[in-house]
Amino acid sequence: GQQVMQIPQYQHVQEGEDFTTYCNSSTTLSNIQWYKQRPGGHPVFLIQLVKSGEVKKQKRLTFQFGEAKKNSSLHITATQTTDVGTYFCAGQESNSGYALNFGKGTSLLVTP
Amino acid sequence: DAGITQSPRHKVTETGTPVTLRCHQTENHRYMYWYRQDPGHGLRLIHYSYGVKDTDKGEVSDGYSVSRSKTEDFLLTLESATSSQTSVYFCAISPWTENRTQYFGPGTRLLVL
Repeated sequence: GQQVMQIPQYQHVQEGEDFTTYCNSSTTLSNIQWYKQRPGGHPVFLIQLVKSGEVKKQKRLTFQFGEAKKNSSLHITATQTTDVGTYFCAGQESNSGYALNFGKGTSLLVTP
Repeated sequence: DAGITQSPRHKVTETGTPVTLRCHQTENHRYMYWYRQDPGHGLRLIHYSYGVKDTDKGEVSDGYSVSRSKTEDFLLTLESATSSQTSVYFCAISPWTENRTQYFGPGTRLLVL
């Protein structure tokens, strides 16, 4: 079945540094979604990418979907302490599928 | 946040006892999911439902059963709780669209002694 690998597992940065997490799927995806989970909280939907090569921005966050629709990345510019949390990617293999396949997440720690 | 509640929010139980967790939604979404979250494992799907009385297994379904008798409620039962089922359990819902964006509940922390 489809597997979604996410790296790195952990990342510790100084406030103001950039951060990137990468997601790779073993199969072609119909779409990929990104979620953020704050410590002690629940995952919250951030964004969805559907088109090959798509790039979307949310303030300091940039999301990319690969040309082959098998990989994706989330880049945060100039991290802030409010960016702390775990970032998950989740791939949907086909439009008929009922479920998403979540990566194991990247935990980001930002120190001031 | 979407209208999702989970109960109880915290529970301590003993090995061998049955436990039922409840997920309730007010969004009338078709799909509902149960996940468990453990350090180093991310979110793992236990069971999901694609309609009333329509359920299916996820990747870690052993030792768990589910029921959905109404659109708004999805119950997860640990038939005989074991210490390996100590975890944080999240319910999620998703509307009937092509893209299965999921909205998560606040979670239930379960400790099996």
